[in-house]
This record gives sequence, C-alpha cells and structure tokens, in this order.
Amino acid sequence: KAGVTQTPRYLIKTRGQQVTLSCSPISGHRSVSWYQQTPGQGLQFLFEYFSETQRNKGNFPGRFSGRQFSNSRSEMNVSTLELGDSALYLCASSLVVLAGNEQFFGPGTRLTVL
Amino acid sequence: AQTVTQSQPEMSVQEAETVTLSCTYDTSENNYYLFWYKQPPSRQMILVIRQEAYKQQNATENRFSVNFQKAAKSFSLKISDSQLGDTAMYFCAFSQGAQKLVFGQGTRLTINP
Repeated sequence: KAGVTQTPRYLIKTRGQQVTLSCSPISGHRSVSWYQQTPGQGLQFLFEYFSETQRNKGNFPGRFSGRQFSNSRSEMNVSTLELGDSALYLCASSLVVLAGNEQFFGPGTRLTVL
Repeated sequence: AQTVTQSQPEMSVQEAETVTLSCTYDTSENNYYLFWYKQPPSRQMILVIRQEAYKQQNATENRFSVNFQKAAKSFSLKISDSQLGDTAMYFCAFSQGAQKLVFGQGTRLTINP
C-alpha cells in the first residue's frame, strides 16, 4: 500500500502570495489531519477532516483554511503569506477519527516565504 | 489546555547502550492516549509506541518500552540496545477526546558508532 503523499515537496513563495498544499491519504483512510512544524513553535495542529467535514481546528488565523474531497484527498490553503508561515507542513491520515488512533504521516511540504 | 514537555533537547549515546527519553504532560482528564513518534533525518514521522492511560501495564514494542507513571504525569521512552538507525528526533505526544495530537518540543537523539 502506498503511504501518505504530499505535493509539492518544496515551495518558495513571497510575502502576500497564497499557496495550496495537497495531501493524498493512504488508500481507504478517511481522516486527514494537518500539522505545522517550525523550529520555534514545534509541531502544531492545524485541522482535521473526516468525510469532507472539518472536525477540529487548531489555533491559527483565518488565513489558514482547508478542505477534503470525496476521495479523501485534502488540500490546505494559506492566503496572504507572512514570513512566519515558513515551515514544514505535515499531513497525517488514519482510517477513522478516533482518539488514540495511529496516524500515518506524509513526508511534508517545506514552504519557504521570502 | 493540555501541554507536553520534553526536557532534553538533545541526547547522544554509543551504539548498543540503553537510553531513556523523558516526557511529562499536563491534563485534568482521566482517559487519554500517549505516543512516542520518531522523525528520522529527512524522513517521515512514524509511530514508535502508544500507551492508553487506563492501562496500567507499560507498553513494549521490541527494543522500545515506556515507563508510564500516571500520578506523576510522566511518560518516558526507553530504547534498549540502541542502533545507528535509531538516530532521529523523538516526539512525545498526547491525545484526549479527539484525534488531535499535542506534541512536545522533541528530543534529538544521536547514536554514535
């Protein structure tokens, strides 16, 4: 079975632009979560989707948004990019949404904002 | 809000030695889950071990075991017979009531030959 895939792997943008990151979960997994990883703040939860519905959202500004499609693929969008948005964005998938579930992580998209 | 603290930013041991990574957490809840995730250099994060808070028995996965002290809110990871491939960032994480993971800051573990 193929693992979680994320595209693109690397991205360079300038302040004020917007960006869309994509995540394809493991086949059969219906839950997708997104995390932001930075040296200063560590790993922080962004959102969680299940069956095209956002189930949970972290403490991030409205510039961060996401969605999930009927095939469970998910995208996240960041508008009006700021320098502080430079980070590794990780996507994780699981079969269903359940506390204690093992989540399978993708390789991440490294976003650099100049 | 739940918090997870890893007090050792970096650790380094010789191959074949045993190493223990520390983690403490804060919660007022009684039912929750604790995890150790491993993030090797430039590779994907993978689950090492999981502990359910209502289980008193410490979880074990081959060379990896935990020391779960619920009253002390402590969840340490012991790696026995360490190998070069154990070199990675290790994150302690917590989840309760939802799948969302709350992570510690991580411990960078280096296994030296």
